[in-house]
Amino acid sequence: DSGVTQTPKHLITATGQRVTLRCSPRSGDLSVYWYQQSLDQGLQFLIQYYNGEERAKGNILERFSAQQFPDLHSELNLSSLELGDSALYFCASSVDPRWNTGELFFGEGSRLTVL
Amino acid sequence: GQQVMQIPQYQHVQEGEDFTTYCNSSTTLSNIQWYKQRPGGHPVFLIQLVKSGEVKKQKRLTFQFGEAKKNSSLHITATQTTDVGTYFCAGGTQGGSEKLVFGKGTKLTVNP
Repeated sequence: DSGVTQTPKHLITATGQRVTLRCSPRSGDLSVYWYQQSLDQGLQFLIQYYNGEERAKGNILERFSAQQFPDLHSELNLSSLELGDSALYFCASSVDPRWNTGELFFGEGSRLTVL
Repeated sequence: GQQVMQIPQYQHVQEGEDFTTYCNSSTTLSNIQWYKQRPGGHPVFLIQLVKSGEVKKQKRLTFQFGEAKKNSSLHITATQTTDVGTYFCAGGTQGGSEKLVFGKGTKLTVNP
């Protein structure tokens, strides 16, 4: 158990819909990262938050947005969903916001299926 | 943009055989991290290498970071069925907007 909690674990929805994925980081971790993993693909970095502020942005679509709340949990909002958005979405957390200072702790992921 | 290439994409071995996956970057990395993802699981951190030419061992796993800090390898000696999974390298970019760029991973299957 990494200590990172993601909900829901599975989500099935239709094209055009909007969903929200939620992540609670490990206790004490201020930095939250969102990654997308499609079938047989690597981990595509979407966005990073540190202590409520956006710190780094990756290949995140304009239809996607995220935020980190004062209690440090984060939400990833996916709207106008397309079939290609079907993927496993991971949240990870770390103590330090800098990428080169240590490991990321990953949650178990939220599997999104868009029909 | 920054890319980290990882080969091979797939590797099938017989139990007891050795396994190696390689990671290459076009630019110098600040550090390299390795993660393992079991089937149906989430990535789990294995190790971080920071120094040029660094070599670290964890039981049957040997990790190396190249002298130029542009490449890395993970070698597993005498694979076991418990080694099954996808191994990802992740390179830390330097300067400007720091990011951790993941390779596409090497999926290892082990035949008993």
